[in-house]
Amino acid sequence: DSGVTQTPKHLITATGQRVTLRCSPRSGDLSVYWYQQSLDQGLQFLIQYYNGEERAKGNILERFSAQQFPDLHSELNLSSLELGDSALYFCASSVGLSGYNEQFFGPGTRLTVL
Amino acid sequence: GDSVTQMEGPVTLSEEAFLTINCTYTATGYPSLFWYVQYPGEGLQLLLKATKADDKGSNKGFEATYRKETTSFHLEKGSVQVSDSAVYFCALSDLVRGANSKLTFGKGITLSVRP
Repeated sequence: DSGVTQTPKHLITATGQRVTLRCSPRSGDLSVYWYQQSLDQGLQFLIQYYNGEERAKGNILERFSAQQFPDLHSELNLSSLELGDSALYFCASSVGLSGYNEQFFGPGTRLTVL
Repeated sequence: GDSVTQMEGPVTLSEEAFLTINCTYTATGYPSLFWYVQYPGEGLQLLLKATKADDKGSNKGFEATYRKETTSFHLEKGSVQVSDSAVYFCALSDLVRGANSKLTFGKGITLSVRP
């Protein structure tokens, strides 16, 4: 158990819909990262937050957005869903900003868009 | 930009066989290098890491040495077990840009170990 929790574990929805994925980092970790794992793209970095502020963006679509709340949990919002958005979405947390810090991954949310 | 290249898979080995999984990288700065493992139905777990050239990371019998001259970080284990069956990802975190410590992953390779 990494200490990072993600809900829900599975999500099945239809094209055009909007969903919210939730992540609670390990106690004491200030950085939260979101990654997408799909068969064709592999594991890709989406976005990073540190202590409530956005710090880096990767290959995140404009239809996707995220935020980190004062209690440090984070939410990833996916809207106007398409079939190609079906993937495993991971949240990770680390204590700070440095690349030396280990990132601890949650179990993931499997999104299926029908 | 940064990139990580892993050897093509999948890999199937017999128990107690020697394992090598190749990984090479491209980075503009001074990356930290990682191997993560993903067991079926689970999230990623850090297996080992190395933060500077010639460092050797090791854990659970696995080893990898940070080779700056060949930009490589190959994973090895002398004797694999059935319980090592999983997907292995090589990754880097580039430290040049300081505030951006995102991980760049290779495509991953599936290892199956048969009894």
